[in-house]
Amino acid sequence: LAKTTQPISMDSYEGQEVNITCSHNNIATNDYITWYQQFPSQGPRFIIQGYKTKVTNEVASLFIPADRKSSTLSLPRVSLSDTAVYYCLVGDSGGYQKVTFGTGTKLQVIP
Amino acid sequence: DVKVTQSSRYLVKRTGEKVFLECVQDMDHENMFWYRQDPGLGLRLIYFSYDVKMKEKGDIPEGYSVSREKKERFSLILESASTNQTSMYLCASSPTPEDEKLFFGSGTQLSVL
Repeated sequence: LAKTTQPISMDSYEGQEVNITCSHNNIATNDYITWYQQFPSQGPRFIIQGYKTKVTNEVASLFIPADRKSSTLSLPRVSLSDTAVYYCLVGDSGGYQKVTFGTGTKLQVIP
Repeated sequence: DVKVTQSSRYLVKRTGEKVFLECVQDMDHENMFWYRQDPGLGLRLIYFSYDVKMKEKGDIPEGYSVSREKKERFSLILESASTNQTSMYLCASSPTPEDEKLFFGSGTQLSVL
Protein backbone atom coordinates (compact mmCIF):
# COMPACT_ATOMS: atom_id res chain seq x y z
CA LEU A 1 0.00 0.00 0.00
CA ALA A 2 1.56 3.26 -1.14
CA LYS A 3 2.05 5.76 1.69
CA THR A 4 1.59 9.44 1.03
CA THR A 5 3.25 12.49 2.55
CA GLN A 6 1.72 15.96 2.42
CA PRO A 7 2.41 19.26 4.21
CA ILE A 8 0.37 19.54 7.39
CA SER A 9 -0.87 23.05 6.64
CA MET A 10 -0.69 25.92 4.16
CA ASP A 11 -1.90 29.52 4.11
CA SER A 12 -2.84 31.49 1.01
CA TYR A 13 -4.42 34.84 0.20
CA GLU A 14 -7.64 35.04 -1.72
CA GLY A 15 -7.20 35.11 -5.47
CA GLN A 16 -3.88 33.28 -5.48
CA GLU A 17 -3.16 29.94 -7.07
CA VAL A 18 -2.44 27.23 -4.52
CA ASN A 19 -0.33 24.14 -5.18
CA ILE A 20 -0.35 21.25 -2.73
CA THR A 21 2.24 18.55 -3.35
CA CYS A 22 1.94 14.94 -2.27
CA SER A 23 4.82 12.43 -2.21
CA HIS A 24 4.15 8.75 -2.91
CA ASN A 25 7.51 7.15 -3.57
CA ASN A 26 6.33 3.52 -3.66
CA ILE A 27 3.33 3.98 -5.91
CA ALA A 28 2.46 0.79 -7.82
CA THR A 29 2.04 0.53 -11.56
CA ASN A 30 -1.74 0.21 -11.44
CA ASP A 31 -2.36 2.83 -8.76
CA TYR A 32 -4.35 5.98 -9.42
CA ILE A 33 -3.90 9.22 -7.48
CA THR A 34 -7.03 10.73 -5.99
CA TRP A 35 -7.63 13.97 -4.09
CA TYR A 36 -10.44 14.78 -1.69
CA GLN A 37 -11.61 17.97 0.02
CA GLN A 38 -13.15 18.07 3.48
CA PHE A 39 -14.96 20.96 5.13
CA PRO A 40 -15.52 21.00 8.90
CA SER A 41 -18.31 18.70 10.10
CA GLN A 42 -18.71 17.11 6.66
CA GLY A 43 -17.46 13.97 4.97
CA PRO A 44 -14.68 14.27 2.37
CA ARG A 45 -15.69 15.08 -1.19
CA PHE A 46 -13.96 13.77 -4.32
CA ILE A 47 -12.11 16.50 -6.26
CA ILE A 48 -9.97 14.91 -8.95
CA GLN A 49 -8.25 11.70 -9.98
CA GLY A 50 -5.39 10.96 -12.36
CA TYR A 51 -2.84 8.40 -13.47
CA LYS A 52 -0.17 10.41 -15.27
CA THR A 53 0.62 13.81 -16.82
CA LYS A 54 -2.17 16.34 -16.27
CA VAL A 55 -5.85 16.19 -15.48
CA THR A 56 -8.12 19.23 -15.25
CA ASN A 57 -11.73 19.67 -14.24
CA GLU A 58 -13.91 22.58 -13.23
CA VAL A 59 -12.49 22.61 -9.71
CA ALA A 60 -8.78 21.84 -9.94
CA SER A 61 -5.84 20.52 -11.92
CA LEU A 62 -3.66 17.57 -11.06
CA PHE A 63 -0.07 17.39 -12.25
CA ILE A 64 1.76 14.05 -12.18
CA PRO A 65 5.40 13.80 -13.35
CA ALA A 66 6.65 10.91 -15.43
CA ASP A 67 8.03 8.94 -12.47
CA ARG A 68 4.68 9.30 -10.63
CA LYS A 69 6.44 9.53 -7.27
CA SER A 70 4.66 12.77 -6.48
CA SER A 71 1.64 14.75 -7.57
CA THR A 72 0.51 18.35 -7.24
CA LEU A 73 -3.03 19.56 -6.75
CA SER A 74 -3.48 23.05 -8.17
CA LEU A 75 -6.40 25.26 -7.11
CA PRO A 76 -6.73 28.38 -9.29
CA ARG A 77 -7.61 31.70 -7.66
CA VAL A 78 -8.71 30.39 -4.28
CA SER A 79 -11.52 31.98 -2.30
CA LEU A 80 -12.39 31.83 1.40
CA SER A 81 -14.72 28.91 0.67
CA ASP A 82 -11.72 26.81 -0.38
CA THR A 83 -10.55 26.71 3.23
CA ALA A 84 -10.59 22.98 3.95
CA VAL A 85 -8.46 19.90 4.47
CA TYR A 86 -7.15 18.28 1.28
CA TYR A 87 -6.27 14.59 1.18
CA CYS A 88 -4.07 12.80 -1.34
CA LEU A 89 -4.69 9.09 -1.77
CA VAL A 90 -2.93 6.39 -3.73
CA GLY A 91 -5.00 3.28 -4.20
CA ASP A 92 -4.24 -0.28 -3.25
CA SER A 93 -4.05 -2.06 -6.58
CA GLY A 94 -4.80 -5.48 -5.14
CA GLY A 95 -8.25 -5.69 -6.67
CA TYR A 96 -10.49 -4.92 -3.75
CA GLN A 97 -9.75 -1.41 -2.64
CA LYS A 98 -8.64 -0.73 0.89
CA VAL A 99 -8.73 3.03 0.62
CA THR A 100 -6.58 4.62 3.29
CA PHE A 101 -6.39 8.33 4.04
CA GLY A 102 -3.45 10.21 5.52
CA THR A 103 -3.72 13.27 7.73
CA GLY A 104 -4.18 15.70 4.85
CA THR A 105 -3.18 19.34 4.29
CA LYS A 106 -5.15 22.03 6.05
CA LEU A 107 -5.47 24.99 3.67
CA GLN A 108 -6.37 28.33 5.23
CA VAL A 109 -7.39 31.06 2.77
CA ILE A 110 -6.84 34.55 4.13
CA PRO A 111 -8.85 37.59 3.01
CA ASP B 1 -26.48 12.30 -7.15
CA VAL B 2 -25.26 9.52 -4.93
CA LYS B 3 -26.60 9.73 -1.44
CA VAL B 4 -24.96 8.11 1.57
CA THR B 5 -27.10 8.49 4.65
CA GLN B 6 -25.96 7.93 8.20
CA SER B 7 -28.77 7.37 10.65
CA SER B 8 -27.66 9.80 13.35
CA ARG B 9 -25.74 13.07 13.26
CA TYR B 10 -25.00 13.07 16.99
CA LEU B 11 -25.11 10.18 19.43
CA VAL B 12 -24.35 9.99 23.16
CA LYS B 13 -23.87 6.60 24.79
CA ARG B 14 -22.59 5.24 28.07
CA THR B 15 -19.55 3.05 28.60
CA GLY B 16 -20.38 -0.61 28.10
CA GLU B 17 -23.42 -0.01 25.90
CA LYS B 18 -23.81 -1.79 22.57
CA VAL B 19 -23.92 0.82 19.81
CA PHE B 20 -25.16 0.48 16.25
CA LEU B 21 -24.24 2.99 13.57
CA GLU B 22 -26.23 2.59 10.39
CA CYS B 23 -25.33 3.64 6.86
CA VAL B 24 -27.41 3.39 3.69
CA GLN B 25 -26.42 4.19 0.10
CA ASP B 26 -28.86 4.53 -2.76
CA MET B 27 -26.69 3.90 -5.85
CA ASP B 28 -26.20 0.12 -5.80
CA HIS B 29 -22.51 0.49 -4.94
CA GLU B 30 -20.53 -2.66 -4.26
CA ASN B 31 -18.01 -1.27 -1.78
CA MET B 32 -18.81 0.29 1.56
CA PHE B 33 -16.44 1.62 4.21
CA TRP B 34 -16.39 2.78 7.83
CA TYR B 35 -13.82 5.32 8.97
CA ARG B 36 -13.28 7.19 12.18
CA GLN B 37 -11.80 10.65 12.27
CA ASP B 38 -9.95 12.15 15.22
CA PRO B 39 -8.13 15.48 15.47
CA GLY B 40 -4.54 15.17 14.30
CA LEU B 41 -5.01 11.59 13.10
CA GLY B 42 -6.95 12.07 9.89
CA LEU B 43 -9.33 9.35 8.70
CA ARG B 44 -8.57 5.80 9.74
CA LEU B 45 -10.21 2.81 8.12
CA ILE B 46 -12.06 0.50 10.49
CA TYR B 47 -13.71 -2.04 8.17
CA PHE B 48 -14.80 -2.28 4.58
CA SER B 49 -17.07 -4.55 2.61
CA TYR B 50 -16.94 -5.39 -1.09
CA ASP B 51 -20.10 -7.50 -1.23
CA VAL B 52 -23.08 -8.59 0.81
CA LYS B 53 -22.00 -10.62 3.84
CA MET B 54 -18.34 -9.95 3.00
CA LYS B 55 -16.08 -7.84 5.19
CA GLU B 56 -12.43 -7.00 5.53
CA LYS B 57 -10.55 -5.47 8.43
CA GLY B 58 -9.13 -2.05 7.96
CA ASP B 59 -6.34 -0.48 9.98
CA ILE B 60 -8.10 -0.25 13.36
CA PRO B 61 -10.76 -2.98 13.64
CA GLU B 62 -10.28 -3.70 17.34
CA GLY B 63 -13.41 -3.09 19.37
CA TYR B 64 -15.64 -2.96 16.29
CA SER B 65 -17.61 -5.35 14.13
CA VAL B 66 -19.70 -4.82 11.00
CA SER B 67 -22.70 -6.29 9.29
CA ARG B 68 -23.77 -6.16 5.66
CA GLU B 69 -26.93 -8.18 5.14
CA LYS B 70 -28.15 -6.07 2.20
CA LYS B 71 -26.14 -4.36 -0.50
CA GLU B 72 -27.32 -0.88 0.39
CA ARG B 73 -26.77 -1.08 4.15
CA PHE B 74 -23.56 -1.32 6.15
CA SER B 75 -23.68 -1.27 9.93
CA LEU B 76 -20.88 -0.59 12.39
CA ILE B 77 -21.25 -2.18 15.80
CA LEU B 78 -19.48 -1.27 19.01
CA GLU B 79 -20.05 -4.34 21.16
CA SER B 80 -19.15 -2.57 24.41
CA ALA B 81 -18.54 1.12 23.92
CA SER B 82 -15.54 2.70 25.59
CA THR B 83 -14.54 6.33 26.06
CA ASN B 84 -11.68 5.98 23.55
CA GLN B 85 -14.28 5.27 20.88
CA THR B 86 -15.57 8.83 21.14
CA SER B 87 -15.03 10.07 17.60
CA MET B 88 -16.55 11.19 14.32
CA TYR B 89 -17.59 8.14 12.31
CA LEU B 90 -17.82 8.39 8.54
CA CYS B 91 -19.41 5.92 6.16
CA ALA B 92 -18.52 5.83 2.46
CA SER B 93 -19.34 3.83 -0.64
CA SER B 94 -17.77 3.32 -4.06
CA PRO B 95 -19.22 1.78 -7.24
CA THR B 96 -16.81 -1.09 -7.90
CA PRO B 97 -13.76 -2.75 -6.34
CA GLU B 98 -11.47 -0.90 -8.75
CA ASP B 99 -13.04 2.52 -8.25
CA GLU B 100 -11.40 4.76 -5.68
CA LYS B 101 -13.95 7.52 -5.97
CA LEU B 102 -15.63 7.42 -2.58
CA PHE B 103 -18.92 9.03 -1.65
CA PHE B 104 -19.18 9.95 2.01
CA GLY B 105 -22.03 10.48 4.40
CA SER B 106 -22.18 13.50 6.70
CA GLY B 107 -20.82 11.60 9.66
CA THR B 108 -21.97 10.61 13.14
CA GLN B 109 -20.35 12.32 16.10
CA LEU B 110 -20.37 9.68 18.83
CA SER B 111 -19.66 10.59 22.44
CA VAL B 112 -19.15 7.76 24.93
CA LEU B 113 -19.45 8.90 28.53
